Amino acid sequence: DGGITQSPKYLFRKEGQNVTLSCEQNLNHDAMYWYRQDPGQGLRLIYYSQIVNDFQKGDIAEGYSVSREKKESFPLTVTSAQKNPTAFYLCASSIDGRLAYNEQFFGPGTRLTVL
Amino acid sequence: AQKVTQAQTEISVVEKEDVTLDCVYETRDTTYYLFWYKQPPSGELVFLIRRNSFDEQNEISGRYSWNFQKSTSSFNFTITASQVVDSAVYFCALDPYSSNTGKLIFGQGTTLQVKP
Repeated sequence: DGGITQSPKYLFRKEGQNVTLSCEQNLNHDAMYWYRQDPGQGLRLIYYSQIVNDFQKGDIAEGYSVSREKKESFPLTVTSAQKNPTAFYLCASSIDGRLAYNEQFFGPGTRLTVL
Repeated sequence: AQKVTQAQTEISVVEKEDVTLDCVYETRDTTYYLFWYKQPPSGELVFLIRRNSFDEQNEISGRYSWNFQKSTSSFNFTITASQVVDSAVYFCALDPYSSNTGKLIFGQGTTLQVKP
């Protein structure tokens, strides 16, 4: 069964802590993406990676970091520098990020709450 | 500017009613792709349709249909004879060909509630 897995489903963080959200795909896709979803604001792009060992900032990268050491994995770290991290985080992948017609496949999401 | 606007924040209908979700986009690209995604309560976005800027044919898939009009920069989505299972958040998205990144520009989403 091919797809994207995200863990954990729910995550609670104390202020000042860094946390890492996991995203794994077995679709053999080159491109991976991280989005943040807030109520009434749609999805906003945090970081994306078109190929292993390369990634680019999206529209709201401040306070976040990523790595892409393996094709199937794209973890997102929410650092203490992120002022308002409580949100729903979605990971996605596509076959080839350079081609506009490729749809993105999404994981089930991680809901992060800062206590 | 590259932008997608879904002016309807929430829509509520009774089962079996038809409902149209509006999507208006802005782009300076002549080649671009438009998408619709469904987000059920479980949270995972599900791909519904892709349309390129050169194909203005309307598309029908079961109870779903899409109306793409370049003249008005709109890509509207209609659900015929709505069902409770259609309750979800629906997103329209744009991918300008010139970006070469696959980055999607999402609208704010429309929450559809279908009541029995």
